[in-house]
Amino acid sequence: ILNVEQSPQSLHVQEGDSTNFTCSFPSSNFYALHWYRWETAKSPEALFVMTLNGDEKKKGRISATLNTKEGYSYLYIKGSQPEDSATYLCAFSGSARQLTFGSGTQLTVLP
Amino acid sequence: EAGVTQFPSHSVIEKGQTVTLRCDPISGHDNLYWYRRVMGKEIKFLLHFVKESKQDESGMPNNRFLAERTGGTYSTLKVQPAELEDSGVYFCASSRPAFDTQYFGPGTRLTVL
Repeated sequence: ILNVEQSPQSLHVQEGDSTNFTCSFPSSNFYALHWYRWETAKSPEALFVMTLNGDEKKKGRISATLNTKEGYSYLYIKGSQPEDSATYLCAFSGSARQLTFGSGTQLTVLP
Repeated sequence: EAGVTQFPSHSVIEKGQTVTLRCDPISGHDNLYWYRRVMGKEIKFLLHFVKESKQDESGMPNNRFLAERTGGTYSTLKVQPAELEDSGVYFCASSRPAFDTQYFGPGTRLTVL
């Protein structure tokens, strides 16, 4: 059974703060690690797909890193804004093509 | 480019009834996935189509669930008969190559009373 863990479960930060969350996943049989941003009642929005150890991806104020040898990924948000409030999901894909999701980190950015 | 669409957005049915959910993937995406999130839990995989063929249905909970993708375009997921534990949000996603980004629809929220 694959286990994808995310921490923290929830996080409250002030507008302008920078923050980061962690995703840990099995280091064996790895193919890709996906990050999504999800607001309830909307489609989960794809942020990044990372496949190589040491990968770093950036999209605006959001960036992510990947360590496949130790099985973790970090998502960073620089200068958080209220519109960044959402649940951030990571998902692992191995030799099977389906995504195995973590339970998410719920971020609230207070104005 | 239109995104993944799902219909209906909400469905409320009684235990024992039948419900059919529909997913229209992004045009040209051969890979189509169904996932489900029951309240408070992670999003979990149900099955994967490549064009009209079922590639992997290892996540389907039982034989009350039937998925089809005739013609390799849209897909339907039928639950018959529905049970209380089937309540949750059913997501559909599509992608080009199998390991590429999966684009999700907004989900169908199913409530079984």
